[in-house]
This record gives sequence, structure tokens and C-alpha cells, in this order.
Amino acid sequence: AQSVTQLGSHVSVSEGALVLLRCNYSSSVPPYLFWYVQYPNQGLQLLLKYTSAATLVKGINGFEAEFKKSETSFHLTKPSAHMSDAAEYFCAVRGGEKLTFGTGTRLTIIP
Amino acid sequence: NAGVTQTPKFRILKIGQSMTLQCAQDMNHNYMYWYRQDPGMGLKLIYYSVGAGITDKGEVPNGYNVSRSTTEDFPLRLELAAPSQTSVYFCASRTGQNTGELFFGEGSRLTVL
Repeated sequence: AQSVTQLGSHVSVSEGALVLLRCNYSSSVPPYLFWYVQYPNQGLQLLLKYTSAATLVKGINGFEAEFKKSETSFHLTKPSAHMSDAAEYFCAVRGGEKLTFGTGTRLTIIP
Repeated sequence: NAGVTQTPKFRILKIGQSMTLQCAQDMNHNYMYWYRQDPGMGLKLIYYSVGAGITDKGEVPNGYNVSRSTTEDFPLRLELAAPSQTSVYFCASRTGQNTGELFFGEGSRLTVL
């Protein structure tokens, strides 16, 4: 069965600093991987997805993620944090018809 | 574009009551899902459907039922509500492509007292 592990339930960074949110996956087949963002009192929206076309995936709002098979990782990065990036971020992996989510990382931006 | 619409947004139930959470999508998606979200636990899959007339259990189906009579609608029924069902419920849908992402509704916050 596919699964994802997000390291760090809370991450704080200063405005303008690098954002790094970690996700490791477990999959018996080449995975489809996703990052979603959730703003307070809203549903989840897609940031980016890995579909095997390219290992470096660019998403919305300046985020990107790199698929590393050797490390079974799909970490999310952004070079310079903005106050509007404060939200909860979820990594997810597709297994058959189902999408399995990590437990989430809450990102706080320090002014 | 409405996307995925969930009703109600908020509801308080007493223990033992029943209710239905409604979900409708206007994107002609075959696949639909119900998740529950609890603090620190991420999203857990309750039920899903790959098309009208077809439903299957997810990770945490106990205490819930679903039906899928049309492509557009995927209601979630709670029978005999319990405090453990206090949660935020999300409905989502996607196309049949493997690379297709989920589109989420805004959620329904349910409290069982």
C-alpha cells in the first residue's frame, strides 16, 4: 500500500527565507505524488503534482518540488517565503483509485 | 464554475441523531470521495465512488453510508451520530486520468454533542 510521511507538523520561517517542507513516500509502483495547500476554513487546493514527466515540478505561488527516487522523497520548496504562504500543507500519493494524505505541516511565517 | 459544492457548512447534532451531508459536482467527474479531517491526523478516506451505482469503503467507513445514483451527487449519511464523528468532512472529485488531481469542496463542520 502507498503511504506518505511528512516530517515536522509545524514549521516556522522568517519572511523572505527559504521554505522547505519534507515528504517521503512509500510505494510499490512508480508513484503519482501531489502537494496540496489548505488555508483556514477552506478546502484543499492543488499546489503541484508529479506524474513522471519531469523530476522537478513547478507549481503555483512560486512553489516547486523535486522527485528523488533514490531518497523516496518529494520535498516542497520556495526560495522566499511570503506572509500569504501561511497555511497547512499536505503531501499525498495515489494508490489505485485512492489518494492517501500525510498528516500535514502547518507553516508559520515570522514577519 | 461551482466545482464541488457541499451542504451544510455547519451542523450540530445530538448523539443518536442521523443526517446526510450533501455533495454535488458539475465537472462531470466519475470519481468522487469523502474524507474526514481531524487535527493532526490529516485526511482519512471514508468512502469513494468510481461512477454512478458503484461505491467502495475507504479507511474509516464505520458509522457512515453513501450512495451514488447520479454522476453529480454523492451524499454521505451518518446513522446514529456519535461524538467520535465530530470532524470536518470534505467531498472531492476527479477525472478518470491517473494524473488527475482531486478537486475539493469547502468542507462541512459537524459537531456531535
